[in-house]
Amino acid sequence: QVQLKESGPGLVQPSQTLSLTCTVAGFSLTSYNVHWVRQPPGKGLEWMGVIWNTGGTRYNSALKSRLSISKDTSKSQVFLKMNSLQTEDTATYYCARGPLLDYWGQGVMVTVSS
Amino acid sequence: IQLTQSPSLLSASVGDRVTLSCKGSQNINNYLAWYQQKLGEAPKLLIYKTNSLQTGIPSRFSGSGSGTDYTLTISSLHSEDLATYYCYQYNNGWTFGGGTKLELK
Repeated sequence: QVQLKESGPGLVQPSQTLSLTCTVAGFSLTSYNVHWVRQPPGKGLEWMGVIWNTGGTRYNSALKSRLSISKDTSKSQVFLKMNSLQTEDTATYYCARGPLLDYWGQGVMVTVSS
Repeated sequence: IQLTQSPSLLSASVGDRVTLSCKGSQNINNYLAWYQQKLGEAPKLLIYKTNSLQTGIPSRFSGSGSGTDYTLTISSLHSEDLATYYCYQYNNGWTFGGGTKLELK
């Protein structure tokens, strides 16, 4: 049974770094890509980045300077780190299985506030 | 590639045939998917590669299109179809459209 689950802090202070973990089950990170997508409250979906099954990465050009995605295949975990957070980074953050985003996590709401 | 969805809000009645549009700023080469998102839930994949129905999705959903212009059609609207629908291209990078919110008339 394919599952993805995001975890991380619900509140981050401005200018700090966000660290999220996506723990997957039912498939191997050596066979599938994992994407990160976020959604500000009441707004649409924004593609953030992807880590390939090979370990390579691609990022949204608007976030590239602040974003890093990595993984630990042995633990079936994918990690997102984004620095210099601002209030506009407040959003629900999702991980999803690529290439078709056919399975999604439940999402984790992150609020950027002092 | 930028994706423009229209309309942004669509009011329809149960039983209506509904058509949602997604237009790309460049040729998408049929690498276009559609997602349904209900309030408080993660998006759900409906259609991939323009017209391939994801497993478990009702056959009243269908997709079509080519080049820069794509369409999601619901042949007969059910009340449980009320949601926001997003198109997504994976031909050149990865981009979501702005969404179409489908509400009950």
